[in-house]
Amino acid sequence: GQNIDQPTEMTATEGAIVQINCTYQTSGFNGLFWYQQHAGEAPTFLSYNVLDGLEEKGRFSSFLSRSKGYSYLLLKELQMKDSASYLCAARNSGNTPLVFGKGTRLSVIA
Amino acid sequence: EPEVTQTPSHQVTQMGQEVILRCVPISNHLYFYWYRQILGQKVEFLVSFYNNEISEKSEIFDDQFSVERPDGSNFTLKIRSTKLEDSAMYFCASRNSNQPQHFGDGTRLSIL
Repeated sequence: GQNIDQPTEMTATEGAIVQINCTYQTSGFNGLFWYQQHAGEAPTFLSYNVLDGLEEKGRFSSFLSRSKGYSYLLLKELQMKDSASYLCAARNSGNTPLVFGKGTRLSVIA
Repeated sequence: EPEVTQTPSHQVTQMGQEVILRCVPISNHLYFYWYRQILGQKVEFLVSFYNNEISEKSEIFDDQFSVERPDGSNFTLKIRSTKLEDSAMYFCASRNSNQPQHFGDGTRLSIL
């Protein structure tokens, strides 16, 4: 079976750093994706890891450990507009669809 | 930046009626997907489409559902006889090889 687990909710302070964890169990593996989704809107692509290690993209970084079935998304210098759901998704092979977790709703407070 | 566009943004339909949701994927993309998201729940895969045929479908995608690419640009999802539980956001996504999927803004389907 396939399973993606991530925390339901997190709260962090403006200007701070937050780490959103994701664990996955899939029958194969060809990439771990992070999307941002504001309420009522479409998921927007943030980052993608297929090899172990850290990928950095401005204020957002994502880390992958394939042996542990684990990823995290790191958001630095939090802004109020970062309040959104963050979706972890895995792909079994190159052309298969994404399997999404339930998303982590992040609230950024002043 | 090119976008995936979906129409309509909101569709209200009586139970039992047919509904067609439309998508225009990004023009040079080859892989197309439909997902749905019931309010407060996770994004769920429905069907993927490549080379003018369905490449994979989920358990949700039963005989009530069908997809078509009637011309070179549109990609449609049809629900033949809608049920109350079909109420959800429906997202179309497209991608090219070795690229992430890009999602449209979705169609909110409300079944009465």
